[in-house]
Amino acid sequence: EADIYQTPRYLVIGTGKKITLECSQTMGHDKMYWYQQDPGMELHLIHYSYGVNSTEKGDLSSESTVSRIRTEHFPLTLESARPSHTSQYLCASSYTGRGTEAFFGQGTRLTVV
Amino acid sequence: AQRVTQPEKLLSVFKGAPVELKCNYSYSGSPELFWYVQYSRQRLQLLLRHISRESIKGFTADLNKGETSFHLKKPFAQEEDSAMYYCALSVESGYNKLIFGAGTRLAVHP
Repeated sequence: EADIYQTPRYLVIGTGKKITLECSQTMGHDKMYWYQQDPGMELHLIHYSYGVNSTEKGDLSSESTVSRIRTEHFPLTLESARPSHTSQYLCASSYTGRGTEAFFGQGTRLTVV
Repeated sequence: AQRVTQPEKLLSVFKGAPVELKCNYSYSGSPELFWYVQYSRQRLQLLLRHISRESIKGFTADLNKGETSFHLKKPFAQEEDSAMYYCALSVESGYNKLIFGAGTRLAVHP
């Protein structure tokens, strides 16, 4: 079944650890996105990708990095987690074109202690 | 500046009452507006888009360019409508750039 998957759903990790949040989609979409959302706040775009080997920074500055080696896979990495990285991270994908529907994963709730 | 404002964090109504979730936007170009919804323990999903001019689950939304608004309305709320609702603005860019509001939690009481 075509879907977009994020793992893990929840992650509690100590300061200084390296973490990777996984996102995969089987929908055949070329565009993929990472949003960050603090409780009760807007979703902010932190990374996006046009396709394989194409990644760009979003509107909200983030210390995380992303890669797009395969069309269906768009992982997000934090080299050294800090408490300020505590947030919810949402992955999404869509076809090319303005106004096309964005499909979201279930999200990863990250807590850095 | 490109911005989406949802002035109400929480809207609480009784079943059968009319509902209006407010959304205002700021954008100098040609706007495309959407409503996304997140039900409890489910993922964020598209509810409706203004270009479709359709009614989904009894909800409608009309783009008012003069008032820069895209309010979501339903004449008779149901308990299953309880969810987080996000208004989103698609701006002209090389990708599908969406700008989200902070969301409004709709609570429909029996």
